[in-house]
Amino acid sequence: AQSVTQLGSHVSVSEGALVLLRCNYSSSVPPYLFWYVQYPNQGLQLLLKYTSAATLVKGINGFEAEFKKSETSFHLTKPSAHMSDAAEYFCAASEYGNKLVFGAGTILRVKS
Amino acid sequence: EAGVVQSPRYKIIEKKQPVAFWCNPISGHNTLYWYLQNLGQGPELLIRYENEEAVDDSQLPKDRFSAERLKGVDSTLKIQPAELGDSAVYLCASSLGGRSGEAFFGQGTRLTVV
Repeated sequence: AQSVTQLGSHVSVSEGALVLLRCNYSSSVPPYLFWYVQYPNQGLQLLLKYTSAATLVKGINGFEAEFKKSETSFHLTKPSAHMSDAAEYFCAASEYGNKLVFGAGTILRVKS
Repeated sequence: EAGVVQSPRYKIIEKKQPVAFWCNPISGHNTLYWYLQNLGQGPELLIRYENEEAVDDSQLPKDRFSAERLKGVDSTLKIQPAELGDSAVYLCASSLGGRSGEAFFGQGTRLTVV
């Protein structure tokens, strides 16, 4: 069965520092991959998606992610953290478009 | 364009009482999902609809949960009777379908069972 693992339930960075949130997937076929962000008491907002067109995907708010098949990874990065980036981030995978399988989430804290 | 609309946003009920959640998907989206999000966890699929048909309800606890999507648009998720362990956020999402599975989420309904 497909699964998604997010390393680190909490990540803390200083404002202006690099953000790196890790995601690994387990799938028998290259899946479609997504990163969603969830602010307190809000639904999930799509940050970016990988659909096999390009391995480096750019999303909203300066985030990007790189698909690495050899490492079965899809890590999320942002060169410079902003206070408004503080939220919970979810990596998700879909094999055939039938449903999204989510990781457990990573809470990002940004220190001033 | 309006997003996925859910109501109510918050609901507090006593155990053993019934509760219902409503979802209006993005116009034109044939696929509708209900996800359950427990505290500190990622969402998990409860049921997926393609138009009016429930095509994946394998994770829906059918002894107490039910769902319907009349006319292939709005959907209602019901719990009867509610248990303490049902306290969670219930998320509705919709998509155009297709292979990618990209879904757009509503703000969710936070259920507290006391």
